[in-house]
This record gives sequence, structure tokens and C-alpha cells, in this order.
Amino acid sequence: QQQVRQSPQSLTVWEGETAILNCSYEDSTFNYFPWYQQFPGEGPALLISIRSVSDKKEDGRFTIFFNKREKKLSLHITDSQPGDSATYFCAAGDNVLYFGSGTKLTVEP
Amino acid sequence: AQTIHQWPVAEIKAVGSPLSLGCTIKGKSSPNLYWYWQATGGTLQQLFYSITVGQVESVVQLNLSASRPKDDQFILSTEKLLLSHSGFYLCAWSLEGSQNTLYFGAGTRLSVL
Repeated sequence: QQQVRQSPQSLTVWEGETAILNCSYEDSTFNYFPWYQQFPGEGPALLISIRSVSDKKEDGRFTIFFNKREKKLSLHITDSQPGDSATYFCAAGDNVLYFGSGTKLTVEP
Repeated sequence: AQTIHQWPVAEIKAVGSPLSLGCTIKGKSSPNLYWYWQATGGTLQQLFYSITVGQVESVVQLNLSASRPKDDQFILSTEKLLLSHSGFYLCAWSLEGSQNTLYFGAGTRLSVL
């Protein structure tokens, strides 16, 4: 059973728009939800994370909205820039992290 | 500051040949260490983890093995490569006692022909 699901698989937005990446998870005991950003040919890097006691986490242009009851979360990237073009992985877990299949974001200038 | 170094950067190997990939962590003592595999365009699959020297736990069976000969070193190997071993291999570390935040290396791109 896939523990973490992401949608869409790929997303294209124009520069300056808000990109919304979605994630859902299966196990209600999960309490830690990081998002990783990966550029081609590189390892993933932690972008932003949230714990289940919060429903929102903001860091600059990146915001996580978390809905514990529905076991869903989303990453909002406001004022998207071409440099944000990358694959974004949602992960969930507590002691073990499960990764989603990723969303490939393209920001067109 | 902690640094994580993986080697080699890329490998092209023949089916049936042996493989050894390495990972070194500097600036952090007793880290948890992990090996992940990523198919092209795919998700991250955890292969092994180690919480201490000489102790390695396997998460999935892919005809690979891992060893931790030193506190700061993690090795991934196999005696016989399969076509299905192709992909991107990532080493990662996290703080001792915590598997939450993972810090990944730059990865090794493996092509098995």
C-alpha cells in the first residue's frame, strides 16, 4: 500500500503565479511532513516541513497547509520563479519517512 | 558544518559485474546513515539504514548489501549487477536517535548495460 500520494505528477505555471502541490497520506499516526526539492542530477534538499500539531507553516514564498482530519497537505509556492523549477517530494512518517512519487514543477518565464 | 560525499559520481557497468558505492559524512559523529534508490523520474526507496558502526538493517531486498566499516562511512555493494539496478543511488544522514530530517548527498548515477 502506497503510504504517501502526490498530485499532480507534473505542473506548469507562469512566473509570478502560485503553484499548488498536493499530498495525502495513509497512516494517521504520522506526525512529521517534510517537503524536499530536487534539481536534476542532484540529491533532494529539505525545503520546508511541518509537524501534525500545526495546520500551517510558512517560510518566505513557501507555505504548507495541513489538514490532519483529512490526512492531506499542500505546498503553496507564491510568486513562482523559473529557479523553482524542480521535482518536489512530499514525505510523511515519524521514525521512518515515506516518500511520495513527486511533482515535477516547471515555471515558465 | 556537516558534509556528505558520495563516490563515484557516475558508473557504467556490465550486467553480472560487481559494484561498490561509497559515502562519507564529515562533521557529525554517530549519525544515522541511509541508502536510497531512485529510478529515473521515480520516488525515493529506502534500501538500508544504519544507526551504528557494524550494524546495518535491510529495508528491501534488491540483491544489494551494505556495510558500515567506520562511523563516518557507508558502503553499498553487490557481487553481480542486474539491469534493474540502474538508477540514482543516494546516501543520506540524520541526527542520532532521529530519522526525521534527512540530509542527502549528491548521488551516484548507475547505468547497468
